[in-house]
Amino acid sequence: EDQVTQSPEALRLQEGESSSLNCSYTVSGLRGLFWYRQDPGKGPEFLFTLYSAGEEKEKERLKATLTKKESFLHITAPKPEDSATYLCAVQAWGDSNYQLIWGAGTKLIIKP
Amino acid sequence: NAGVMQNPRHLVRRRGQEARLRCSPVKGHSHVYWYRQLPEEGLKFMVYLQKENIIDESGMPKERFSAEFPKEGPSILRIQQVVRGDSAAYFCASSPALKAGFYEQYFGPGTRLTVT
Repeated sequence: EDQVTQSPEALRLQEGESSSLNCSYTVSGLRGLFWYRQDPGKGPEFLFTLYSAGEEKEKERLKATLTKKESFLHITAPKPEDSATYLCAVQAWGDSNYQLIWGAGTKLIIKP
Repeated sequence: NAGVMQNPRHLVRRRGQEARLRCSPVKGHSHVYWYRQLPEEGLKFMVYLQKENIIDESGMPKERFSAEFPKEGPSILRIQQVVRGDSAAYFCASSPALKAGFYEQYFGPGTRLTVT
């Protein structure tokens, strides 16, 4: 069964303290892995798509990487405005290849 | 450059009433997806529609729930005879037509349904 697990569930950091969020996945064949950011009371905001192992993408203080089993979202010198829930989703090859399978998210809190 | 629009943003219904949730996709997007999110839980796929077609409704309860995406107008998620367990945030997402590749989904702000 296709599955996505994110860890930790919650992460509290001081402003400027770099860290990483993990997204482990089990799919029959990975078509793509997506990272989203969700603020309270809002819809998920698209961040990155990764397609193959070894791929990396960056946006401001965020960098996403992908291996054959997991993805990491690295946050460098975070600011309070980076506080949000970060969601990971995968899309698998197959008949229902448009479906996204979601992790439960990591709630990131950056304290000033 | 309007993104996905959903309305209403908040909806309160008493048990047994009907709830209608509307979604206007990004201009030019022909694919619409509906998701449900319970507090502290991940997003759960409900239904995938193209214009005038339901492609996959495997995540949608067979009773009381229905969805449509007409040729003209927004996509509608309809919940009949709502129960307290239907209380959740409902998100709509859209993407361009799927061709050789595939496209990320863009989400609306959601409709928060509360059943009293």
